[in-house]
Amino acid sequence: NAGVTQTPKFRVLKTGQSMTLLCAQDMNHEYMYWYRQDPGMGLRLIHYSVGEGTTAKGEVPDGYNVSRLKKQNFLLGLESAAPSQTSVYFCASSQGVYYGYTFGSGTRLTVV
Amino acid sequence: AQKITQTQPGMFVQEKEAVTLDCTYDTSDPSYGLFWYKQPSSGEMIFLIYQGSYDQQNATEGRYSLNFQKARKSANLVISASQLGDSAMYFCAMIRHQAGTALIFGKGTTLSVSS
Repeated sequence: NAGVTQTPKFRVLKTGQSMTLLCAQDMNHEYMYWYRQDPGMGLRLIHYSVGEGTTAKGEVPDGYNVSRLKKQNFLLGLESAAPSQTSVYFCASSQGVYYGYTFGSGTRLTVV
Repeated sequence: AQKITQTQPGMFVQEKEAVTLDCTYDTSDPSYGLFWYKQPSSGEMIFLIYQGSYDQQNATEGRYSLNFQKARKSANLVISASQLGDSAMYFCAMIRHQAGTALIFGKGTTLSVSS
């Protein structure tokens, strides 16, 4: 099925460990986004990409890095995980403003 | 700066009743788009409805309608004839033009539908 696939779906990390979250879309979308969702905060933009090879910071980028080496993939990295990064992470993609947004099913990350 | 405000943390409604979820927004852009998403307990984000700032009519999608009042900068979601399956978190969102058209979200409203 066409859409946005996030891996892994669940992960528990120890403080200081690193990991990479993968987002893959098969709709040839130009725009891709990483959000985090915390209780009572809604979804907040971490980083985004407007095309292959481009990335930019969103409103809460600290502690995260991203890469978009291939158009279909958008990777979110945590170099040294902290408990404050315990959250649900959503990836989304879009072909443009009026074409809507497709969300992945989310990754629940716990940092202990 | 663009901002979305949802002032109702929780709403309760009985089956078959209509419910309005409030959303106000702030933007200086003349052109903008507003979305509503539903997030059930399973966690996925489900698109409900979209309203463009230049749309002449309020958007409707089945039991969902958007009460768009441009002068008041409000974009309330109206759900008619509520069903038990409507129990979920609802997010209002706006396109953020200066961030690759990313969406900016409100904090959400939890809707509980009882029988």
